[in-house]
Amino acid sequence: AQSVTQLDSHVSVSEGTPVLLRCNYSSSYSPSLFWYVQHPNKGLQLLLKYTSAATLVKGINGFEAEFKKSETSFHLTKPSAHMSDAAEYFCVASKANAGGTSYGKLTFGQGTILTVHP
Amino acid sequence: EPEVTQTPSHQVTQMGQEVILRCVPISNHLYFYWYRQILGQKVEFLVSFYNNEISEKSEIFDDQFSVERPDGSNFTLKIRSTKLEDSAMYFCASNNDENSYEQYFGPGTRLTVT
Repeated sequence: AQSVTQLDSHVSVSEGTPVLLRCNYSSSYSPSLFWYVQHPNKGLQLLLKYTSAATLVKGINGFEAEFKKSETSFHLTKPSAHMSDAAEYFCVASKANAGGTSYGKLTFGQGTILTVHP
Repeated sequence: EPEVTQTPSHQVTQMGQEVILRCVPISNHLYFYWYRQILGQKVEFLVSFYNNEISEKSEIFDDQFSVERPDGSNFTLKIRSTKLEDSAMYFCASNNDENSYEQYFGPGTRLTVT
């Protein structure tokens, strides 16, 4: 079984300050992990992905995430928040078999709403 | 940039009525998915579809649900007899490779059952 836990339902930061959105996972096998973002009235957009290559993953819009197997974590960070970063963020795991191949079904965390204050 | 579209954006229906939620996946994609998010809960996988048949479904996807690709562009989710607990945001997604890590999501249809 696979599960994803986002530790904060809401995070509020000031523009220009760092962002940290926390995610822990549980999986029988090495998962593939993703962060998706959803802006109001838009579809979910892929920010970045970890697929057993480099543990530090860089994504779009200055976001990055580090896969830490010992901590079963995949936290999302950004050095300096921008007003346009305000959105809901989802940590997501893919179903993976013992061979490490990813299948289509995605398992979502509960989402973190990021608010950015001027 | 191609995107997944969903209609309607909001559907209100009475309990026991049938609803059809429509999705137009990206044109060269072959794998299609439905997810739902009940208010305050996680996004949950419902079903995946490939080559005109269901490849995987969750325990949520019971006999009241069905999916169809009626033509070359649409992908639909039908709920035969809606229940109050079917009220949720329904997301359609697609990709062109089951092992592709990125699924492209539509903006969702909010279904309200009264």
